[in-house]
Amino acid sequence: GDSVTQMEGPVTLSEEAFLTINCTYTATGYPSLFWYVQYPGEGLQLLLKATKADDKGSNKGFEATYRKETTSFHLEKGSVQVSDSAVYFCALGFAGNMLTFGGGTRLMVKP
Amino acid sequence: DSGVTQTPKHLITATGQRVTLRCSPRSGDLSVYWYQQSLDQGLQFLIQYYNGEERAKGNILERFSAQQFPDLHSELNLSSLELGDSALYFCASSSGQDDYGYTFGSGTRLTVV
Repeated sequence: GDSVTQMEGPVTLSEEAFLTINCTYTATGYPSLFWYVQYPGEGLQLLLKATKADDKGSNKGFEATYRKETTSFHLEKGSVQVSDSAVYFCALGFAGNMLTFGGGTRLMVKP
Repeated sequence: DSGVTQTPKHLITATGQRVTLRCSPRSGDLSVYWYQQSLDQGLQFLIQYYNGEERAKGNILERFSAQQFPDLHSELNLSSLELGDSALYFCASSSGQDDYGYTFGSGTRLTVV
């Protein structure tokens, strides 16, 4: 079946550091790929998405590129802030169907 | 406010009891999904409804059931509760037909004591 693998956390960075959270997937066909963010005590919010190979999703300084050849969708940000501290989930899905989530990666940013 | 409303926000109940969690989807969305988030299991898909009909079923226990009503709100019923059922239960909604992802509610935190 479909699956998503994320790097385990926590990831601890200093403010203004570069962030990479790795995500790889296994799927039959060509799914859409998503990154969701969960702040403490809240639900998941869609951060960015890409629907086909080589698409780049971006939002709030975060970026991820859909790489079909490496089945990856790594999340990057050039300069993290304390307010980016949260749990980040990579997910895949096909139109109208359930999403399959990775295990989540906790990011902690220190001032 | 994401547009997806879940009630109650918190629920504490005893083992063996039954509870009902409610979800109102974002306006215009026909599909509702239920997920369970526990510390050791991550986000587990439970069940999906589309316009009142069950569309997909995941790792949902037989003690759990759900339905979607004509006004599109959904309820998740959990019975014969066990300590291990303590978790965050999320509802999400989507149009059910596109790749734009879900909108999640803020969840119901269930504690079974």
